[in-house]
Amino acid sequence: QLQLQESGPGLVTPSGTLSLTCTVSGVSTGHTSYYWGWVRQPPGKGLEWIGSIYYSGTTYYNRSLKSRVTISVDRSKNQFSLKLTSVTAADTALYYCARQSATYDSGSYYPDYLDYWGQGTLVTVSS
Amino acid sequence: SSELTQDPAVSVALGQTVRITCQGDSLRTYYASWYQQKPGQAPILVIYHQNNRPSGIPDRFSGSTSGNTASLIITGAQAEDEADYYCNSRASTGNHLLFAGGTRLTVL
Repeated sequence: QLQLQESGPGLVTPSGTLSLTCTVSGVSTGHTSYYWGWVRQPPGKGLEWIGSIYYSGTTYYNRSLKSRVTISVDRSKNQFSLKLTSVTAADTALYYCARQSATYDSGSYYPDYLDYWGQGTLVTVSS
Repeated sequence: SSELTQDPAVSVALGQTVRITCQGDSLRTYYASWYQQKPGQAPILVIYHQNNRPSGIPDRFSGSTSGNTASLIITGAQAEDEADYYCNSRASTGNHLLFAGGTRLTVL
């Protein structure tokens, strides 16, 4: 049974780095059919895509966050991770990891719809 | 424009049909997908690639696209369909993903 589970600190100080890990079970993060992505949701607000990574290490990031975001994959542990630097209160949100279909287009694979989601983890940025 | 927009709120009488729409230039090129989110729960995928349902999603959920507008249609809405619904697609400029702001569906 496919499962994704986020883990990491629930409280981060302003200007610090938010670090989260998503542990995947039931499918390999090395599978060529999938990307692995992060989505966040500030309290009471909508969904925001943060970025996605392919098994090969190819990444795509939200333009508004690109300068602060790094997503990596550890296939040996079947995990992928998110780092967001220089956080502010605006980064307080529920953070979800998800599996994404990899869609082939014009010679490359791109992240597509998100078909399995973790339960989410709340990260609060506060001193 | 590199955005997707949805009406903030829609209501439907129990058992009636409701259409939730999503507009954006990217929908002329790329498929829309739809997600249902109930309070305190993670989103779940209900429609992908315009009109495909994942396993376990009731067939009262369907999707369509015309021009720059994608629609999620619930035929015979049930009380348990009351939720927030989000559409997403790939952006028409650049290789990134977009989410619309979401529609809160109330079943009366």
